Amino acid sequence: NAGVTQTPKFRVLKTGQSMTLLCAQDMNHEYMYWYRQDPGMGLRLIHYSVGEGTTAKGEVPDGYNVSRLKKQNFLLGLESAAPSQTSVYFCASSYGGTGINSNQPQHFGDGTRLSIL
Amino acid sequence: AQSVTQPDIHITVSEGASLELRCNYSYGATPYLFWYVQSPGQGLQLLLKYFSGDTLVQGIKGFEAEFKRSQSSFNLRKPSVHWSDAAEYFCAVGARAGNMLTFGGGTRLMVKP
Repeated sequence: NAGVTQTPKFRVLKTGQSMTLLCAQDMNHEYMYWYRQDPGMGLRLIHYSVGEGTTAKGEVPDGYNVSRLKKQNFLLGLESAAPSQTSVYFCASSYGGTGINSNQPQHFGDGTRLSIL
Repeated sequence: AQSVTQPDIHITVSEGASLELRCNYSYGATPYLFWYVQSPGQGLQLLLKYFSGDTLVQGIKGFEAEFKRSQSSFNLRKPSVHWSDAAEYFCAVGARAGNMLTFGGGTRLMVKP
């Protein structure tokens, strides 16, 4: 029962390098999210998706891009990494819907710890 | 815009003592409220949620939370803390559109033997 799986778990990059973080969920969830976690700031939403082929900006989208080509996968890309992007990145997913089906709890992966030198 | 404040960054309690973690929110409509717990090196696990109805909600691991609209609060409580409860706790408020969450800064709980 995998739930939400993030790869890789750790990565060190040099400034200016690019990379992609992969998130996969096996719960058939419509909605997926990428957050970053920094000390004392909780989790901040980077981008999210309400369905296959759709993406939207969250609170802190600058410097990141995302794609949702398949329902079960949500990719987060850093085109030119900067030290300010050193953080722990979490992916989450949830059921979609409206009304009584809205605001279903989000399920989180275990995170990717990213350091940019 | 919605926001969540957790006034206590760190709390230390003795094992067996009671616990209350504070959460204040700002939201323009009826809020959807959540408490999550994060153990070291792990993702976030849902403890409990409030959508509507009874303002006292029960969660997993013996936790409960009370929604007080007049105080814009959703404090988390546990009558007797166990050493395994040491973790970081996050309060969050949910938006209707896109099911987005806004998190507080977290409270790190330490438990003394």
